[in-house]
Amino acid sequence: GENVEQHPSTLSVQEGDSAVIKCTYSDSASNYFPWYKQELGKRPQLIIDIRSNVGEKKDQRIAVTLNKTAKHFSLHITETQPEDSAVYFCAASTGANSKLTFGKGITLSVRP
Amino acid sequence: SQTIHQWPATLVQPVGSPLSLECTVEGTSNPNLYWYRQAAGRGLQLLFYSVGIGQISSEVPQNLSASRPQDRQFILSSKKLLLSDSGFYLCAWSGTVLSGNTIYFGEGSWLTVV
Repeated sequence: GENVEQHPSTLSVQEGDSAVIKCTYSDSASNYFPWYKQELGKRPQLIIDIRSNVGEKKDQRIAVTLNKTAKHFSLHITETQPEDSAVYFCAASTGANSKLTFGKGITLSVRP
Repeated sequence: SQTIHQWPATLVQPVGSPLSLECTVEGTSNPNLYWYRQAAGRGLQLLFYSVGIGQISSEVPQNLSASRPQDRQFILSSKKLLLSDSGFYLCAWSGTVLSGNTIYFGEGSWLTVV
């Protein structure tokens, strides 16, 4: 089955700097790649997603890039703010049954 | 719009007691439904998923069970809780392939087994 790995497991950045979180996947048939943000004690919430027919997607300060050849996708956060501090999960799916495989999560800390 | 409700929000149960967590989805038909567990500071572990009434797939062996008595209702149960069952339980739903594979989570249930 699909295996999704996230690197690094923790990331600390200075407020205003950029943060990049990378995920790799194993199943070349995967075609849907969402990113979730989970604040402490709350549910994970979708922040951005990308499908395999697109190489990059941007929404204000966040963007996701996909490299199908290398089987990795990355979350980019620019001009980080303290409220960006959270656990970020990437995931991948091959489609038909909608079952997502999640990475283990990365804890992002933004230092004020 | 679609909404997902999950309850109770928190509960403290003694070892060996039963468990029932309930989840309902509104605003959609025939959703895929999921139960996830998250231990403190850990990742998301898929416990069960269902593609239709009465159709349950279990991802990991455990003393938990799931049922889907109605199209938009998903229940997580246990006959006898273990200390290791403590965690944050999340119900989730997703639509058909045509509407995207996005999973939406309920607000979660904090379970502490004492």
